[in-house]
Amino acid sequence: ETGVTQTPRHLVMGMTNKKSLKCEQHLGHNAMYWYKQSAKKPLELMFVYNFKEQTENNSVPSRFSPECPNSSHLFLHLHTLQPEDSALYLCASSQVGVSETQYFGPGTRLLVL
Amino acid sequence: AQKVTQAQTEISVVEKEDVTLDCVYETRDTTYYLFWYKQPPSGELVFLIRRNSFDEQNEISGRYSWNFQKSTSSFNFTITASQVVDSAVYFCALTETSGSRLTFGEGTQLTVNP
Repeated sequence: ETGVTQTPRHLVMGMTNKKSLKCEQHLGHNAMYWYKQSAKKPLELMFVYNFKEQTENNSVPSRFSPECPNSSHLFLHLHTLQPEDSALYLCASSQVGVSETQYFGPGTRLLVL
Repeated sequence: AQKVTQAQTEISVVEKEDVTLDCVYETRDTTYYLFWYKQPPSGELVFLIRRNSFDEQNEISGRYSWNFQKSTSSFNFTITASQVVDSAVYFCALTETSGSRLTFGEGTQLTVNP
């Protein structure tokens, strides 16, 4: 596969469930990002990882737990979510550096019941 | 602080019309980068163009063209002879070299009707 892939593409979970989102990039990048896109809202940056190290946490609630085992893989572990967490979660990758172009995956559409 | 404004929330055109999507930005930096992304209904943000603040040349790529004007802090995007497949949400974004994140505008929903 090429580019940035995300699984699952759709996820429905209850508030007491635990689930994980997976992102994989095949572009040789060393920075990875999680974004949240809610209806009628701009994209919100959640986390940034450079060379597997978290460099930014944009005041995200602890019910979202990221994991970056290597520069190609990024996970977002979800537990005890709220209905307002329903959104499209997008993963992106780039070379390290704020001026670098970010390439996005197709996203995971999450519905919390 | 950096900010991107896309004043047009929704635009609807008929196929083959030309359409311009506006983007106005605010930044204190002299060095910055501007981007346009397309988000079709499938959800993926597709990268279209990256432009640095020192390159004010307009760019054309097929039916797409971009007009960068530092004097008015604008980076507008024009689609010539629009097609139904151009229907999507288009985002303008900005990053400053002194900053740490990519800031997106709120997006413009473009609908091209047959």
